[in-house]
Amino acid sequence: EIVLTQSPGALSLSPGERATLSCRASQSVSSTYLGWYQQKPGQAPRLLIYGASSRATGIPDRFSGSGSGTDFTLSISRLEPEDFAVYYCQQYGSSPYTFGQGTKLEIK
Amino acid sequence: QVQLQESGPGLVKPSETLSLTCSVSGGSISGYYWSWIRQPPGKGLEWIAYISHSGSPNYNPSLKSRVTISVDTSKNQLSLKLTSVTAADTAVFYCARARGARSSFDSWGQGTLVTVSS
Repeated sequence: EIVLTQSPGALSLSPGERATLSCRASQSVSSTYLGWYQQKPGQAPRLLIYGASSRATGIPDRFSGSGSGTDFTLSISRLEPEDFAVYYCQQYGSSPYTFGQGTKLEIK
Repeated sequence: QVQLQESGPGLVKPSETLSLTCSVSGGSISGYYWSWIRQPPGKGLEWIAYISHSGSPNYNPSLKSRVTISVDTSKNQLSLKLTSVTAADTAVFYCARARGARSSFDSWGQGTLVTVSS
């Protein structure tokens, strides 16, 4: 099983700032099979990024993904108030599919 | 736009079987892969299983002995059965759609909370 470790566990930033979230895999993941999700309280997760760097339908271009191998990054260029949420990375290349434990992005 | 809606009992007794249904509207269940994912209160996400429209399942080994996933194309529904539940199975259960066996989950249901308690 591929274990995904996200860091930091929580991140406090102000609107307008840049956020950088990390996801590290216990073994190499093809970038084709790495995604990022956003989850707000009481809501289902929403797909932001698939294939490590492709934005899902309707996702603003302030969200970007990068990385390869075992290290992946989600960046949010200029934080909007609605971006404060929990973010999860997921690998779907090797069963069982696994998620990271999440990074909580909080308003400073 | 496709919509997914989970339904089932909100309370299940320990040792009993949890049964959930996911109804798909606004699109066909055929041609996609369908997963169940759960999230214990205040915790992270755990993938449970997926099934294709043709009925080939893949289970998380951690739950495989207790889980059955099925699809009913005539009703456009997905089902989950989890046997011998304990309090550790208390979670919000989501159904989600993927475009292939190794694809991200591009559509999710709103989730349904199932509590295991006597």
